[in-house]
Amino acid sequence: GQSLEQPSEVTAVEGAIVQINCTYQTSGFYGLSWYQQHDGGAPTFLSYNGLDGLEETGRFSSFLSRSDSYGYLLLQELQMKDSASYFCAVRDSGAGSYQLTFGKGTKLSVIP
Amino acid sequence: EPEVTQTPSHQVTQMGQEVILRCVPISNHLYFYWYRQILGQKVEFLVSFYNNEISEKSEIFDDQFSVERPDGSNFTLKIRSTKLEDSAMYFCASSEASGSSFEQFFGPGTRLTVL
Repeated sequence: GQSLEQPSEVTAVEGAIVQINCTYQTSGFYGLSWYQQHDGGAPTFLSYNGLDGLEETGRFSSFLSRSDSYGYLLLQELQMKDSASYFCAVRDSGAGSYQLTFGKGTKLSVIP
Repeated sequence: EPEVTQTPSHQVTQMGQEVILRCVPISNHLYFYWYRQILGQKVEFLVSFYNNEISEKSEIFDDQFSVERPDGSNFTLKIRSTKLEDSAMYFCASSEASGSSFEQFFGPGTRLTVL
């Protein structure tokens, strides 16, 4: 079966740094994505790691270790608007389909 | 900026009725998906569609569900006989044929309420 584990809730202070971890067990693995979802909104793509290492996009970075089946999303210089749910998602199928299996999400609350 | 659109934004129906949820994917995308999200839970994959046929489907996508691309722009999800447990937010998504990020662009969703 497929399973992705991530913390259910995280609280951090505005301006700080927060790391959201994700461990996965899937039958196949082709990459780890991160999506942001504000309450009532649609998931929005943040980053993708197909290979080991760190990917940086502005204030957000994402890391993958395939040998450890582990990744994380790092948010720097937190802003109030970063309060949202963050989902890790695995692309676990090969050519012909890019379906995503999502984790249960981490609700991030940014406080002043 | 191109975006995925979905209609209606909210659909209320009686148990046992058929519903059709509509989506217009981004025009140059070739892969289309439906996901659902029960309130407060994770996003769950339903089905992917490529080259006018289903490429993958989950256990949730049983015989009550079907998808269609009736023309060059629309992508629909039909639920033949709705059940109470079908109440959820349904998201359509699309992605390009190539690219290294495999980014999927999600529509705003249709909230389906089955009474």
